[in-house]
Amino acid sequence: EVQLMESGGGLVQPGGSLRLSCAASGFTFSWYWMSWVRQAPGKGLEWVANIKQDGSEERYVDSVKGRFTISRDNAKTSLFLQMNSLRPEDTAVYYCARIDIRGSTFDYWGQGALVTVSS
Amino acid sequence: DIQMTQSPSSLSASVGDRVTITCRASQGISNHVAWFQQKPGKAPKSLIYAASSLQSGVPSKFSGSGSGTDFTLTISSLQPEDFATYYCQQYNSYPFTFGQGTKLEIK
Repeated sequence: EVQLMESGGGLVQPGGSLRLSCAASGFTFSWYWMSWVRQAPGKGLEWVANIKQDGSEERYVDSVKGRFTISRDNAKTSLFLQMNSLRPEDTAVYYCARIDIRGSTFDYWGQGALVTVSS
Repeated sequence: DIQMTQSPSSLSASVGDRVTITCRASQGISNHVAWFQQKPGKAPKSLIYAASSLQSGVPSKFSGSGSGTDFTLTISSLQPEDFATYYCQQYNSYPFTFGQGTKLEIK
């Protein structure tokens, strides 16, 4: 059974940093692109970042470029999102998602981790 | 960026009804569209990819169609568990973008 479990969310002040983790199990992690998608309170879904199977390619939405870094550890079957220079508008539930084997879109999602940026 | 516009934003229907949700892309995206279902306080669930292909385990009451700029999600024989918010998403080009969502409510 595919499982994705996020951790590391919490309350952080504007300008601060936070690192999210996603522990993956139930599939061969190194075969798949992985992704982060977020959802601000009461709002819709927003794609944040993707990373290729071997970590050699990363893609970001413009609003987080230069502040967020996606990474992975295939040996530990884990995905990460390092978030720096956080802003109140980054407040959201952050979902870890697997991109399907065709490399197209999301097929499995984690339960989400809440990040609140507030003073 | 490709804009995805869903309609309607909200929809009231009864158990047993059939409903259709529409998604329009701001430019042609072939069939690179997915649909997701989300219930309050829960993670999204993947329903459809490549505009019309069902994800594994998704019942055939869900169907998708379209190509180019216009896409539809149809849900037949609505059951109480189908009342949720539905999102379309394009993965034709970066940045991936979602529609604003359609909230399906019980009439």
